[in-house]
Order: sequence, then structure tokens, then C-alpha cells
Amino acid sequence: SQQGEEDPQALSIQEGENATMNCSYKTSINNLQWYRQNSGRGLVHLILIRSNEREKHSGRLRVTLDTSKKSSSLLITASRAADTASYFCATDADRANSKLTFGKGITLSVRP
Amino acid sequence: DAGITQSPRYKITETGRQVTLMCHQTWSHSYMFWYRQDLGHGLRLIYYSAAADITDKGEVPDGYVVSRSKTENFPLTLESATRSQTSVYFCASSLDRGRAGYTFGSGTRLTVV
Repeated sequence: SQQGEEDPQALSIQEGENATMNCSYKTSINNLQWYRQNSGRGLVHLILIRSNEREKHSGRLRVTLDTSKKSSSLLITASRAADTASYFCATDADRANSKLTFGKGITLSVRP
Repeated sequence: DAGITQSPRYKITETGRQVTLMCHQTWSHSYMFWYRQDLGHGLRLIYYSAAADITDKGEVPDGYVVSRSKTENFPLTLESATRSQTSVYFCASSLDRGRAGYTFGSGTRLTVV
């Protein structure tokens, strides 16, 4: 069963706008990660945030983590048409073994 | 995705046949994983391995077998393929849990007819 659940399921924005995607999870985690998947391709790791971190930045990406609410958000600023993809959050909740549990993903469409 | 290679890229097989999907990584990552991706289910973990000769079941292991005799290879075998195993299969590897993300292969699209 999915640990992380993304919201919304689909998002359509205009180029230049910001895109905010949310992820909620159920159990305590070691870290939470965000991935991007372009159509027909494998997943690409974007960013990892540990359970003791609250915010991380990478280029136009900003990730926040609220462990008290068991939620995370991914913000993509100044979106580009090339950001069109599916985005997945994944949680690492197993302290004994490293294995990620993925959500079902968010489909982001950025209109030129 | 340089460094992690899946083969074949596409495969069509008949129900009841055995089929093996290959995964090879060149980084000597300890951890390797097999996921399947289906519409409506997202990615689900089939099997994973923490090191050579160490494997364990994931969420949906039934009907699959894995082995890891060498660190760089992690083949996935469908012992007797069923139509429900039609899916896109992704192999991934990771150097260190908690510090780095997973690197995924390009996937194998398997159709069982």
C-alpha cells in the first residue's frame, strides 16, 4: 500500500507560474524524496529531505517537510514547459532496510 | 540513465513462459531494487537487495524470483508469466540509505499475451 499520497493528482499551469505539489504520509520516516518522471522514461531523483530537516532548496525547487503533520510540499518556481512530467514523493520509513514507498504521482502540465 | 542498464527495453511473452529481466549497474551500489509501475497503483516494490547474496521481498513478490550473485547484477525472473504481470518494470540502485536517492533504469515494458 502507498505510504505517500500526492495532491493534487493533476496540475496545469502557465509557463512562468509557480507549481506547488503536496504529499502526505502515514508513518514516521527517515527521509522523504521527490522524483520526476518524463513520459516513457525512468524516474529521476530531485531532492531528499531528512526527518530532522524542515526545508531544502535545489535550484528552482523548494521542498518543505512538516513531520508533525506528516506532510511535504514541492514548489517549482518560474515553471518551464520542460517541467511537464509526473512527480512522485517517496518515503523511507524502514530503519532496518533502505526501501522507498512511492505515491501514485502528480501529473504536471506547463503550458507554453 | 548512465550507469544502470535494463534489458530488454520491450518484451512480449506468452502466458506460462519464463522470462528474465536484466539489470546491471556500474557504480557498485550496495542496494538494488525492482519496482513495477501500473496505472492506478504507482510504483510498487517487488524485491530488493542490500548486498550481494542478500535479497528480500517487497510489497508484491508473488510470481517473481530474484538473485544477486554479483553486486552489479540483479536479474528479475517471472517463473510462469501471467497477464497480470503486464507492466513496466524499473530497476533502481542506491549507494547509501538516507544520504542519496535512488537511480533508476529506463525500464522494461513487458506485455504478457
